[in-house]
Formats: sequence, structure tokens, C-alpha cells
Amino acid sequence: DAKTTQPTSMDCAEGRAANLPCNHSTISGNEYVYWYRQIHSQGPQYIIHGLKNNETNEMASLIITEDRKSSTLILPHATLRDTAVYYCIVRPMNYGGATNKLIFGTGTLLAVQP
Amino acid sequence: DSGVTQTPKHLITATGQRVTLRCSPRSGDLSVYWYQQSLDQGLQFLIQYYNGEERAKGNILERFSAQQFPDLHSELNLSSLELGDSALYFCASSVAPTGMNTEAFFGQGTRLTVV
Repeated sequence: DAKTTQPTSMDCAEGRAANLPCNHSTISGNEYVYWYRQIHSQGPQYIIHGLKNNETNEMASLIITEDRKSSTLILPHATLRDTAVYYCIVRPMNYGGATNKLIFGTGTLLAVQP
Repeated sequence: DSGVTQTPKHLITATGQRVTLRCSPRSGDLSVYWYQQSLDQGLQFLIQYYNGEERAKGNILERFSAQQFPDLHSELNLSSLELGDSALYFCASSVAPTGMNTEAFFGQGTRLTVV
């Protein structure tokens, strides 16, 4: 079962920053926060992940609150091609464990408006 | 391009039939995951293999089976197909099944239509 809560949909103006929130209040110490996105009917695309520090890469920034119960994915300058469903996933890193499969929730449909 | 290759891209078949979906993981990836995405169910994890062995099983029907071969490619076999099996089937791969920084990369999927 998904352990995250995301808004169903959001709008963003082209060129503006898109801030996508995610609540993961039951996250445990060995779990990372991952973000993926899925552009219509394409395969999900990895964006970024983090444990407790803020992370940035060429696609986005990830801000994780100090208590790790929520996070925000930031697309600094959204374009029309960023229109997609964005999934926030809590993923265990079980050293020596069985699997770290991704469990997808319903995600947030981000619509970037011209 | 994620480096994960799925074939075929589209498949139309009749109820009761059997089909095989194929996945070639990224070079160097040992773990393969299969997902099903239908309109009313979202992305559902089916099964995971690591270096030829089943590692985790999700909501996979008994009519479905999978395997990973020595060359690391994987096949998902769907039999006694029903209309409700119509969906996008995605394969993903990662370096390892557990541990840090093992982000999964997805293929472009196979769209299965059962008529």
C-alpha cells in the first residue's frame, strides 16, 4: 500500500516554479523519498530521491522537512513538457532484505498552462 | 531513452489466448520488475526478478507468470486472457534489488488489448 498522500491535481503557469507537495507522515528511518513522473502513457521516469537532506539535480529540487514527514518537489521553470503525473514514493532500503520495489500511489497530475 | 527495451509495443489478441511480453534491461542491471497499468487500477507491481531468481511478488494473477533468463532478459507470460487484462505493461530494471541508489528505469511499455 502507498504510504504517501498527494493532491490529485495542480496547475502551474509556464516558466513559473512548480511546487508539488507530498505527505509521508509514517516514514521510517531507513526509508527514502523518491519522485517519479509519467508523461501520458509513457514509462515512469525517475526524477530525484533523498533521505533527509535537500537534493538538487538537473531536473528538480527535493526539499524534505526536518521531521521527514513531508517533502516538496520543485521544478524551477516549468515547461509544457513537464505536464505529467508526479508520483511521490517512500521506498525502504533494506540492507540484506528482499526487495526495494516501487509502490505507486495515485500521484499528482501537474498541468502546465501556457 | 531509459535503456530498457520492451517488445512488442502493441499487441491485440482475443480472449482465451496466451501472449508473451519481452523485456531487455539496461546493460549491467540485474534486477527486473514488471508492472501493470490499467485505467482503473493505476500502476500495480506484479513481480520482481534478480539475477534469474524471483525476488518479490505483488498482485500477479495465477494466469500470469514470468521468468528471467541467464542473459538477464525477462518475459511475462499472460494466459487465458480476459477483457480485463487489457492494460499497459511496463518493465523496469535496476542494478540491484536492494540497497542505496538503486533507482529503477522503466521501458516504454507494451499496450495489450484483449478483444
